[in-house]
Amino acid sequence: AQKVTQAQTEISVVEKEDVTLDCVYETRDTTYYLFWYKQPPSGELVFLIRRNSFDEQNEISGRYSWNFQKSTSSFNFTITASQVVDSAVYFCALSEENTGRRALTFGSGTRLQVQP
Amino acid sequence: DTGVSQDPRHKITKRGQNVTFRCDPISEHNRLYWYRQTLGQGPEFLTYFQNEAQLEKSRLLSDRFSAERPKGSFSTLEIQRTEQGDSAMYLCASSLGIGTQNTEAFFGQGTRLTVV
Repeated sequence: AQKVTQAQTEISVVEKEDVTLDCVYETRDTTYYLFWYKQPPSGELVFLIRRNSFDEQNEISGRYSWNFQKSTSSFNFTITASQVVDSAVYFCALSEENTGRRALTFGSGTRLQVQP
Repeated sequence: DTGVSQDPRHKITKRGQNVTFRCDPISEHNRLYWYRQTLGQGPEFLTYFQNEAQLEKSRLLSDRFSAERPKGSFSTLEIQRTEQGDSAMYLCASSLGIGTQNTEAFFGQGTRLTVV
């Protein structure tokens, strides 16, 4: 069975600090996708990134970067120079392609608080 | 607004009553998913449709839960004889699947159910 673990329940940083959110996953499939979503207080899940299991290249988008390492089954997310608007709950998720339905298995989330 | 729309945003009901939630996906998306999210947890997959076909419903929490997507467009999730344990956020998501390809899922803002 697939599983996503986000060991950090809550992180608090001061604005402009860098912060890394950890994600470890378990799957028996060889083909899968990994995701990060942001959930602000309004409740809507906002898509941030999708990576497939065959692409281990790190990705940078503005202040956001992602580090995918299959050897350690990790897909970590770093926010550089954090801002108050980054305060939200962040979810890592996994979808397995072999089942066909591609539903997401989510971690329990990491609440990030960025203090001014 | 071309995103995923859910109605109502909030629902308070008495234990034992039936409730129905509606989801309007992004118009060109053929796949639609329902998730449930309880406080402090990540969303949990319930069921999904490809067009009007419900391809998986084994994750629905009990036989009190049912979902429909009669014309392959909007979907409804019904909970009969509600219990206090049903109190949660119910999230809908949609994606475009073509053959083996699938876009990332886009989520609505959810319906928060409170059973008193």
